[in-house]
Parts: sequence; C-alpha cells; structure tokens
Amino acid sequence: NAGVMQNPRHLVRRRGQEARLRCSPMKGHSHVYWYRQLPEEGLKFMVYLQKENIIDESGMPKERFSAEFPKEGPSILRIQQVVRGDSAAYFCASSLLPYNNEQFFGPGTRLTVL
Amino acid sequence: KQEVTQIPAALSVPEGENLVLNCSFTDSAIYNLQWFRQDPGKGLTSLLLIQSSQREQTSGRLNASLDKSSGRSTLYIAASQPGDSATYLCAVNQAGTALIFGKGTTLSVSS
Repeated sequence: NAGVMQNPRHLVRRRGQEARLRCSPMKGHSHVYWYRQLPEEGLKFMVYLQKENIIDESGMPKERFSAEFPKEGPSILRIQQVVRGDSAAYFCASSLLPYNNEQFFGPGTRLTVL
Repeated sequence: KQEVTQIPAALSVPEGENLVLNCSFTDSAIYNLQWFRQDPGKGLTSLLLIQSSQREQTSGRLNASLDKSSGRSTLYIAASQPGDSATYLCAVNQAGTALIFGKGTTLSVSS
C-alpha cells in the first residue's frame, strides 16, 4: 500500500519560470492538503482540495499560485513566474475523510529558484 | 488565531535517557493533535494522533498526552536511542482541515 507520492523530489527553476509539483494521495484517499516549509520556519498550510474542488485556499498566496485535483490523476500545485522567495519544501498530505482525520504526508518537493 | 509553540527548540541527551517534549496551543477548541517526526531533508512521519476526547496515546516507546483545557500536549520518549535523533513536530487540527504546526524540537541522542 503505497504512501503519498510526490514528484519531482527536487526541482530547480530560474526566476520567471513555472514550477509544477505533483501529488498522488494514498490509495482510497480523496482529500489532499498542500503545505509549505520555508527555511527556518514551520510548515504552513496552503490549500485543501477534494476531488475536483478547492475547499479551503486560505493559505495560498493571492497571485502566481494555483492548485487543482482533477477527477483523474494527481493533484497539481502550480507556481507561475517563480521568484527566489518561493524556494522551499512543498509537502502534500492526504486523508481518508475530511475533518478530524489523520493526515499522511509525502516526502516533499524541494524547490530551488536560481 | 491559533498559535502552536514547542519548547525546547533543541535538546541533546545521552542514549538511554527518558525525555519529554512540550507543545502548547492558544485555542483549546481543537479536533485533534498530531505528533510527527521529520528527518533532515525528508518528509513527515506521523507518530501519534490524539483525538480531542482522548487524554493519551501510546505507541512503543512513545506516549503522547493531551490536556485540552490547558492547551498542552507532551510527547514522552522512553529509553532514547541515537535513531530517535530527528525534529519532532506538533500540529493541531482546529477547523477540521488545515493542520497548524509548531516549529518543532530538534532532538539529538548521543551514543
């Protein structure tokens, strides 16, 4: 039973390029959460999605960031026109049910913006 | 606004020692609290989940307690080993969706 999978594990982009981060939840999980861990800071919630729906995006920056979780395929976190401040580890988590349920985390994608 | 604090930020102990990591939160209206372990450059491994109605959970050498009314949780590690060296994160689930994390306690166990 594979856990949460994320790819790529490491991603290098130059300023102004686009970054696409993928997350496949645990089998049977339809709830996906994205978190960001900036250097020397704790993990911060970004967005919560259920299949085809964004449920809570209160932690997403207003510009350049978007997320989706299509009916088929992985969840995608997309960052347009990356800047150096976007360099961080991005973690995806999934849960079987919404609310009051244990979240399981993937290994993360480490984004470096040159 | 919920805030989660973990004390100490770093801890060094010799192998075999029992130790306690502390987590406090400002708003007691939580659904649950989770303890995680994070190794350098790696993802998070869930250690224990305590529901708001529970007082403690145990897994092997780990025991986590929750005192919701006072906004505190502790993670007790018995007979520490060098392999326990990692950063331990506490997170509360308040609104049922996002986890709110503390900054973690970095533990180093020397042999």
